[in-house]
Amino acid sequence: SQQGEEDPQALSIQEGENATMNCSYKTSINNLQWYRQNSGRGLVHLILIRSNEREKHSGRLRVTLDTSKKSSSLLITASRAADTASYFCATDKKSSYKLIFGSGTRLLVRP
Amino acid sequence: EAQVTQNPRYLITVTGKKLTVTCSQNMNHEYMSWYRQDPGLGLRQIYYSMNVEVTDKGDVPEGYKVSRKEKRNFPLILESPSPNQTSLYFCASQVGGEIDTQYFGPGTRLTVL
Repeated sequence: SQQGEEDPQALSIQEGENATMNCSYKTSINNLQWYRQNSGRGLVHLILIRSNEREKHSGRLRVTLDTSKKSSSLLITASRAADTASYFCATDKKSSYKLIFGSGTRLLVRP
Repeated sequence: EAQVTQNPRYLITVTGKKLTVTCSQNMNHEYMSWYRQDPGLGLRQIYYSMNVEVTDKGDVPEGYKVSRKEKRNFPLILESPSPNQTSLYFCASQVGGEIDTQYFGPGTRLTVL
């Protein structure tokens, strides 16, 4: 079974609005990562948050992690049409060398 | 330029015809991995390698083989491809040790008829 599940599966917003995507996972982790994928292309790493961190920022991105709820959120502020992509969370299991991806959130930012 | 390359980018083949998808990285990374991506299922790990001559199964290894004879290369081998292996394949690498930021190749779209 998948470790991470994103919510919502799809999100459509207007340019300039904020986009929030959520990720839930099942087992204890060392870290959680968010990746972005433009249609049919390779994934690009956005941000990594470790299990002892609660919040992290990178430019217009803000990631939170709640290990007690086994959940994370990715916030993209002031979205742009170029942010249109699929966003995946990925987690590792403790004592594992595997990275497990969720099924992703498809974000559409309308100009 | 630091990168992960895959070849071929697109491949159409027939059932049972052995094929190899190559993956190479120029970042001296110890860890490399193969994933397949299917609609609605996200990315699933096929095999990974912690270092030269060290490989291990991911979540969906059936029907695939890998080898790691050199640090930079991690080919994916399909000995007898079947239509259910039609998918988008990604190779990735990272520095090593515990799971960390992974760098992905551009993908190989495989169709098995």
